[in-house]
Amino acid sequence: QQPVQSPQAVILREGEDAVINCSSSKALYSVHWYRQKHGEAPIFLMILLKGGEQKGHDKISASFNEKKQQSSLYLTASQLSYSGTYFCGTGSNFGNEKLTFGTGTRLTIIP
Amino acid sequence: ETGVTQSPTHLIKTRGQQVTLRCSSQSGHNTVSWYQQALGQGPQFIFQYYREEENGRGNFPPRFSGLQFPNYSSELNVNALELDDSALYLCASGKTGTGEGAFFGQGTRLTVV
Repeated sequence: QQPVQSPQAVILREGEDAVINCSSSKALYSVHWYRQKHGEAPIFLMILLKGGEQKGHDKISASFNEKKQQSSLYLTASQLSYSGTYFCGTGSNFGNEKLTFGTGTRLTIIP
Repeated sequence: ETGVTQSPTHLIKTRGQQVTLRCSSQSGHNTVSWYQQALGQGPQFIFQYYREEENGRGNFPPRFSGLQFPNYSSELNVNALELDDSALYLCASGKTGTGEGAFFGQGTRLTVV
């Protein structure tokens, strides 16, 4: 079962904040977040593990709620470079990248 | 720059033909996974190789096969191409137990006509 992401698409002005959610119907061990720009490879943002704490770097952070089988990605003070499609990928084993990717969230940042 | 390279970048094949796509993983990575990404969709897991052996397969038929070599390179072979095989094919390499996630190549755009 593919994780469901919400929203499907969002348009923000530069400097605004965004939250992207990822929900799975299956128990999660790890959640991987990627950003993909049109025509390019997905770029790894971060990985969250079962039992782990919220992670972040720069103005992008994420949380992992095991009980709800959900993860959320937080983008603070968005920059133009944040535009792209964000995918969560759920894994069953730590470090074993057999990922089931979510439906994707298209983020557009406008000046 | 992820250190993962794929070739070719674009390819056009005729239905029924066979195709081989290649991937050079990042040095030191011991897993390579292949994904198929249709337009507007998320990547779909095809299979993974670990230490040159298949280590899990997604919902893809046997005409999708692969190889992993000791020099960190790998191949995806698709036989009897169908029109629906048209997609972006991505390989991703990683190292188990590091928590670093998988690093993707830029992909091969395959068009079947």
